[in-house]
Amino acid sequence: AQSVAQPEDQVNVAEGNPLTVKCTYSVSGNPYLFWYVQYPNRGLQFLLKYITGDNLVKGSYGFEAEFNKSQTSFHLKKPSALVSDSALYFCAVRAPSSGSARQLTFGSGTQLTVLP
Amino acid sequence: DSGVTQTPKHLITATGQRVTLRCSPRSGDLSVYWYQQSLDQGLQFLIQYYNGEERAKGNILERFSAQQFPDLHSELNLSSLELGDSALYFCASRGLAGTEADTQYFGPGTRLTVL
Repeated sequence: AQSVAQPEDQVNVAEGNPLTVKCTYSVSGNPYLFWYVQYPNRGLQFLLKYITGDNLVKGSYGFEAEFNKSQTSFHLKKPSALVSDSALYFCAVRAPSSGSARQLTFGSGTQLTVLP
Repeated sequence: DSGVTQTPKHLITATGQRVTLRCSPRSGDLSVYWYQQSLDQGLQFLIQYYNGEERAKGNILERFSAQQFPDLHSELNLSSLELGDSALYFCASRGLAGTEADTQYFGPGTRLTVL
């Protein structure tokens, strides 16, 4: 079975500072990894994904994530945080062997607060 | 805006009742996924349909059912509602090909409150 861990429920960072939101995963085979963001009273918004190729993936709004196979991690990063980045962030994984279903398994979410 | 629409936005009902949540996928997408987001369980996969056929089931209760119609919209039916069914219900559709393949795009959700 596949699983995702987001070890931090809450991350606080000052505006302008770099931010990191951590994610580790467990899956059989090569993982498909995703980051989504949820703003209050809104749906999940796709940020970026890793399927194969370059370990550093760039996504929307200046976010990027680094896939590390040996550490089974997929941490989300941004060089300079904005107050508007404050939201709930979800990491998700799916196994390549999940057939045509391809459902995602989500982590518990990390609340990011960027302080002005 | 993801292109996935869900109605209604909010639903308030009583225990024991039945409700129907509706989802329209992005134009051209054949797959629809339903997820439940609650404080205690987090985001959980419920069920998936592909071009009208059920493809996968997750942690979906027997009191819940879904279907996908020929026009590809989907409905999630929740019956004999309990207080614990109060949650945000999301629908997502998956891109078919290219850079959108394997990416699920989520609707705004339906917030269900059972009193």
